[in-house]
This record gives sequence, C-alpha cells and structure tokens, in this order.
Amino acid sequence: SQQGEEDPQALSIQEGENATMNCSYKTSINNLQWYRQNSGRGLVHLILIRSNEREKHSGRLRVTLDTSKKSSSLLITASRAADTASYFCATDAGAGNMLTFGGGTRLMVKP
Amino acid sequence: EAGVTQSPTHLIKTRGQQATLRCSPISGHTSVYWYQQALGLGLQFLLWYDEGEERNRGNFPPRFSGRQFPNYSSELNVNALELEDSALYLCASSLGQSSSTDTQYFGPGTRLTVL
Repeated sequence: SQQGEEDPQALSIQEGENATMNCSYKTSINNLQWYRQNSGRGLVHLILIRSNEREKHSGRLRVTLDTSKKSSSLLITASRAADTASYFCATDAGAGNMLTFGGGTRLMVKP
Repeated sequence: EAGVTQSPTHLIKTRGQQATLRCSPISGHTSVYWYQQALGLGLQFLLWYDEGEERNRGNFPPRFSGRQFPNYSSELNVNALELEDSALYLCASSLGQSSSTDTQYFGPGTRLTVL
C-alpha cells in the first residue's frame, strides 16, 4: 500500500517556469526523500529531509516538510526540458528501513 | 565511483518459470533493498538484506526470495512466475542499518516480462 499521495499526478509547464509538486503521507516519519525517474528507468535520489527539518535546498531544488500537516513539497525553479521525468516522494517511518512511495507526479517541461 | 548495478536489463520468462535477478551495491554499502514497480501498483518494498541476513520483508508471497552474498551483492529469485509479476524490479543500496540518515541509492532496474 502507498503511504503517500502526490499532487498533481501530472504537470506540464514551459521551460523557465517553476514546478511545484506536493506529497502527503499518513504516519509519523523519520525522513522523507524525493526521487526522480526518467522513462521507467532507475530512481535518482534528489534530496532527503529529516523529520526535524523544515526546509532544504539543493541547487534549483527546494523541499519543505510540514510534519503537523504530514505533507511535503518539492519546488524546481527555472525548469529545463531535461527536468522532464516522474518525481516520487518516499517516506521512511522507521519500520525496517522500508521506503514507502507515493504515486508520483509526471512533469513535462516544454522547450 | 560506480553506482548500483543490476543484471540483466531485461528478462522474458513464461508462467511457471523461475527468474533470478542480480544486484551489486555501491562499494562500501552493506544494505541492499529490492522494490517492485508494477503498472498500476506503484513502487512497493520487497526485501531488505544487511550483512547477509534478511532484515525486513514486504507484503509479498514466499515465492519471492533472495539472498545476500559475502561481497554484499544480492540475488532476487521469483519462483512459479505469474503474469502479474511483470514489472520493473529495482535494487537499492545504503551504507548501513540506520535508515534515518542513510540514503537509498537505486540501480537502473531489471524489467521482467512474464508471458
């Protein structure tokens, strides 16, 4: 079963625009991670945010975490066509190192 | 530094056969994880191995099994294949047992097709 739900399921934007994806989850967590997947290939780790952190930055990525609302958001600024991919949030609830993934957001960045 | 590697890239089997998938973790990583990404079901946790032992198992039948070798590489075996086993199988590795701090790094996956 999936711990999280991602919103929107699909997002289409123009190059240069910002993209925001949201993730909600159900149980308490140790950390939340965001991954990118290109065309059904492997997952690329983007960023990990711990439960005691509220915001993290990595390059053009900004992740926020609100544990009171059990939600997170991923912001990609100044998007590029190469950012076209599916983005997944994954939560670690401390139950045997198992990551529980959301359904993903399919992002298309048009040149 | 080499990432997580998986073989084969693609695997085609028929119902009832057995499939063996292989994974080599990042050098220095002792934990290996297996996930299944089936169409319509999303990414689901299968198994976690660390130091040669199975540490956790997802909600999958016993015909899904695996092992971890002394060099920390791992095999996933799927017996008595069913059509719904068709999926992308992803392997990940991490440094150790502390999931609160250790990122899981994923390989490119093995796409299993069951005919």
